[in-house]
Amino acid sequence: GAVVSQHPSWVICKSGTSVKIECRSLDFQATTMFWYRQFPKQSLMLMATSNEGSKATYEQGVEKDKFLINHASLTLSTLTVTSAHPEDSSFYICSARDEARGRYTDTQYFGPGTRLTVL
Amino acid sequence: AQSVAQPEDQVNVAEGNPLTVKCTYSVSGNPYLFWYVQYPNRGLQFLLKYITGDNLVKGSYGFEAEFNKSQTSFHLKKPSALVSDSALYFCAVRDTGGYQKVTFGIGTKLQVIP
Repeated sequence: GAVVSQHPSWVICKSGTSVKIECRSLDFQATTMFWYRQFPKQSLMLMATSNEGSKATYEQGVEKDKFLINHASLTLSTLTVTSAHPEDSSFYICSARDEARGRYTDTQYFGPGTRLTVL
Repeated sequence: AQSVAQPEDQVNVAEGNPLTVKCTYSVSGNPYLFWYVQYPNRGLQFLLKYITGDNLVKGSYGFEAEFNKSQTSFHLKKPSALVSDSALYFCAVRDTGGYQKVTFGIGTKLQVIP
């Protein structure tokens, strides 16, 4: 149980285009999902916390207009990288917190990640 | 602010030998502590967590971790390493007090040598 999927697993796009990444909790409902960015040989950098039915909470330094997050249902959050540039190339990972299993403990279940390459 | 330190970039161990991956933390209140494993080009997989209770926590794939409050450590251990254990391991902490976010360490690459 507690499976999180991401789609696509990898994407290559041209500079200036927008890319949407989906994060789904497959067997549980997630009121809260998290979006991370991981650079090579570095830890996960929290970009934003996605809350179902409300606006996402962005971390300091993350441009909300560039990284659009929508959490329209209890099982789906999307991250759209708008007007992507080569410096946006990275590994993007989402996670979801199963409130029933992880209540008050913040056990997060991670998606497999999306490798974005912007040419 | 809370923080996590993983002092070793890489740990090498021979197959069959015990392994330890070190983690120390800093929080203002009581910690929730986690270990995750990441295989190449994959997301993180949850291994184990400490919330309260016994200091020795057992998790997936034969891993365990020991919470040491006085040393603010939460080292990951396994009695006998497998080649398939080779991966990147992340320690994470969350303060049960006011700061709710989970902070991850920089990761330790474990290489198990056949």
